[in-house]
Order: sequence, then C-alpha cells, then structure tokens
Amino acid sequence: NAGVTQTPKFQVLKTGQSMTLQCAQDMNHEYMSWYRQDPGMGLRLIHYSVGAGITDQGEVPNGYNVSRSTTEDFPLRLLSAAPSQTSVYFCASSYSGGLSYNEQFFGPGTRLTVL
Amino acid sequence: KNEVEQSPQNLTAQEGEFITINCSYSVGISALHWLQQHPGGGIVSLFMLSSGKKKHGRLIATINIQEKHSSLHITASHPRDSAVYICAVSPLTGNQFYFGTGTSLTVIP
Repeated sequence: NAGVTQTPKFQVLKTGQSMTLQCAQDMNHEYMSWYRQDPGMGLRLIHYSVGAGITDQGEVPNGYNVSRSTTEDFPLRLLSAAPSQTSVYFCASSYSGGLSYNEQFFGPGTRLTVL
Repeated sequence: KNEVEQSPQNLTAQEGEFITINCSYSVGISALHWLQQHPGGGIVSLFMLSSGKKKHGRLIATINIQEKHSSLHITASHPRDSAVYICAVSPLTGNQFYFGTGTSLTVIP
C-alpha cells in the first residue's frame, strides 16, 4: 500500500493564480481531510469528507474548494491564491468519520508559497 | 480559544534523559492521539488512547480522563527522538480533531 500520497511536494504561486493539490489513498478509507499547518499554530482543518459525494467545511474553509467523486481521491482547489494561503498542507485519511478510535494516516505534505 | 494545550513548547534534553510532554484539553473526548512529526514534515500516529496507559518501546502515553490531561514520556532519550510531538483529541461530537500546537523536542548527543 502506498498509503496517503500528495502532489506536488512544493509549489510557488503568484497571487491570483489557481491550482489543485492532489491527495489519494489506497486504504479504502471513508474519511479524508485537508489541514494546513502554520508556524505557532496547530493543524487546522480546511475541509473534510465522510465518503464519496459528501464534503463539509472545517475551521478555515475560505478560499478553498473540495470534491470527492471517488473514495480514493480528495483534491483541494485554491481558487485565487493569496499570500495568506502560504502554508504546509496535509491530507489525511482514516477508516471512518468521527475519528474516535480510528488512527489517522497523513500524507507527506505540500509546501505552498504564494508571492 | 485552544481546546488543546501542550507544554512545554520547546524542550532540549541530553541523550539518555527521561522526557515528559504534557497535554491538557477542555472538551469531552472519545480518544486522545499523540502524533510525531519529524523534520521534513511527515506526521505519524504514535498512540491512540481513551483510558489508562499504553507503551511502545521507549514511549509511554498516559491519560487521566477526569483531569482532562495526558502525558507522553520518552525513556532513555536518543537523538533520533528529535521531532515535534503533537497532541490531538477526538471530541465526543462532530467529525473534527482538535490539535495542540506541538512540542519541539531536541535530544543532544
């Protein structure tokens, strides 16, 4: 199993550009999520999905869109990049929603810089 | 408002020392998670616990549900333990983790 994969690993954008961060998992996990990690702050949830066709907003959803057309893939779209979106982005998955006693598996992260 | 607080924020230890990282939380939880993030960024799950104590090798995690507190201990610390340790909780309701800001540990040879 490859686990959770993310592409790209690094990306530099100009303000106003759009892009999609890719996330895929091969563990047949229902629950997938996107976080951003900023210095001095904990991981913050952007969007999550409890299954194909179902998505919901997290703590910091503004400026981001997601879709979940398959169990495996959960792309994150930046609609019009802003410098405030400079961050490290992590995708994660787990067996089911609610997390409770389910281990969460993280991707390797995407380091995004918006100029 | 932080639902999860960790202390200390930064910790430097000599190789071989016993290390304790603390986590306090303010919400009712179904489980608490300890995560490890190495330089280079990858995050892995170390422990999930909802009561008592768990041990993996030199790492021990404890939780006191009544006091809303957990500790992560590292015995006989080694430079390869240098990483950021993150506490996270699964609240009783909802689909979200709450994360602490992490404890950056450096173990010096």
